[in-house]
Amino acid sequence: KAGVTQTPRYLIKTRGQQVTLSCSPISGHRSVSWYQQTPGQGLQFLFEYFSETQRNKGNFPGRFSGRQFSNSRSEMNVSTLELGDSALYLCASSLELQETQYFGPGTRLLVL
Amino acid sequence: AQKVTQAQTEISVVEKEDVTLDCVYETRDTTYYLFWYKQPPSGELVFLIRRNSFDEQNEISGRYSWNFQKSTSSFNFTITASQVVDSAVYFCALTYNYGQNFVFGPGTRLSVLP
Repeated sequence: KAGVTQTPRYLIKTRGQQVTLSCSPISGHRSVSWYQQTPGQGLQFLFEYFSETQRNKGNFPGRFSGRQFSNSRSEMNVSTLELGDSALYLCASSLELQETQYFGPGTRLLVL
Repeated sequence: AQKVTQAQTEISVVEKEDVTLDCVYETRDTTYYLFWYKQPPSGELVFLIRRNSFDEQNEISGRYSWNFQKSTSSFNFTITASQVVDSAVYFCALTYNYGQNFVFGPGTRLSVLP
C-alpha cells in the first residue's frame, strides 16, 4: 500500500505570497492532519480533517487554512507568508480519528 | 496542561551499546494514547508504537522495548544493541481529549557511532 504523499517536496516563496501544499493520504484513510516543524518550536499541530470537516485546530493564525476533499486528499494554504513560516510541513493520515497517524515525507518551505 | 517532556536533548552512544530515551508526560485525561516516532535524516516521521492509558504492559519488538509506568507518568524507550541506522531524532507524543489533541515532545537526537 502506498504511503502518504506530499507535494511539492520543496518550495521557495517570498514574503507576502501565498502557498498551497497538497497531501494524499494512505488509501482508505479518512483523517488527515497537518503539522509544522521548526527548529525553534518543534512539532506543532496545525489542524485535522475528517470527512471533509475540520475537526480540530491548533494555535495558529487565520493565515493558515486547509480543506479536505471527498477523496480524503487535503490541501493546506498559507496566505501572506512571513519569514517565520519557513518550516517543514508534515501531513499525517489515519484510518479514523484517534487512530495511529502515518506521516508523509513533508514539504520544506523556505520564505525569503 | 498537557505536555510531553523529553529531557535528553542529545545522546551519543557507541554501536552495540544499549540506550534508553526518556519520556515524561502530563495530562488530566484518564483516557489517552502515547506514541513514539522516529525521524531519520530524511525527515519522514516513522511510527514505532502506540500505547493506550489502560495498558501498562511493557512491549518488546526486536531490539526495541518500551516501559510504560502510569505511577511516574513515564513512557521510556530502550534500544538494545544499538546500530548506526538507529541514529535519528526520536519523538514521544501524547493524544488526549479522545484523540482531538496531539502533543509532541521536543525530541531526543540519538547518534550511534560506529
